[in-house]
Amino acid sequence: GENVEQHPSTLSVQEGDSAVIKCTYSDSASNYFPWYKQELGKGPQLIIDIRSNVGEKKDQRIAVTLNKTAKHFSLHITETQPEDSAVYFCAASNALFGGYQKVTFGIGTKLQVIP
Amino acid sequence: EAGVAQSPRYKIIEKRQSVAFWCNPISGHATLYWYQQILGQGPKLLIQFQNNGVVDDSQLPKDRFSAERLKGVDSTLKIQPAKLEDSAVYLCASSLEDRDSGNTIYFGEGSWLTVV
Repeated sequence: GENVEQHPSTLSVQEGDSAVIKCTYSDSASNYFPWYKQELGKGPQLIIDIRSNVGEKKDQRIAVTLNKTAKHFSLHITETQPEDSAVYFCAASNALFGGYQKVTFGIGTKLQVIP
Repeated sequence: EAGVAQSPRYKIIEKRQSVAFWCNPISGHATLYWYQQILGQGPKLLIQFQNNGVVDDSQLPKDRFSAERLKGVDSTLKIQPAKLEDSAVYLCASSLEDRDSGNTIYFGEGSWLTVV
């Protein structure tokens, strides 16, 4: 089955600096890679996703890159703000249209933005 | 659009007791997931339904956990009897499984279980 490794497990940055979280996956059939943000006491919320036919995607201060050859993908947050403090999860999905998808999550990265 | 609804939000039970969690997915979503999230870890899939059929329950401890999704809408996850190691957040999620919208999984707020 799919195995997703995520690092670092914790990350502290100064407000305004950039944060980078990296994930690797094992199953070459995985073709959809979402990133979730989980605030304390809440469920994970999708913040950005990327499909295997795209190498990079950006949404304001958040960007995700995908290297299919190396089987790794990364989340980049620029100009970090205190409200970015949360746990971030990467995931890899073998999205089978007409069938069902199998989604595997990473262990999570606790990001702390220091004002 | 209403999100995924879960109840109860919090539950404390003694070991060997039983507990049930309820989930109402986003209207029209064919796929419903139950995840277990232990503190400090990522969500782990327990069971996945497509409409009212089970498509993956390979990681569900079937000796104590059961789940059903009657009429392909609401779902209930039951634990009986509970063990200390079942203390976790139980997340319900749903997805549309639509080619155009992709496979985005939307999570509920979770049901926090403490077994003492």
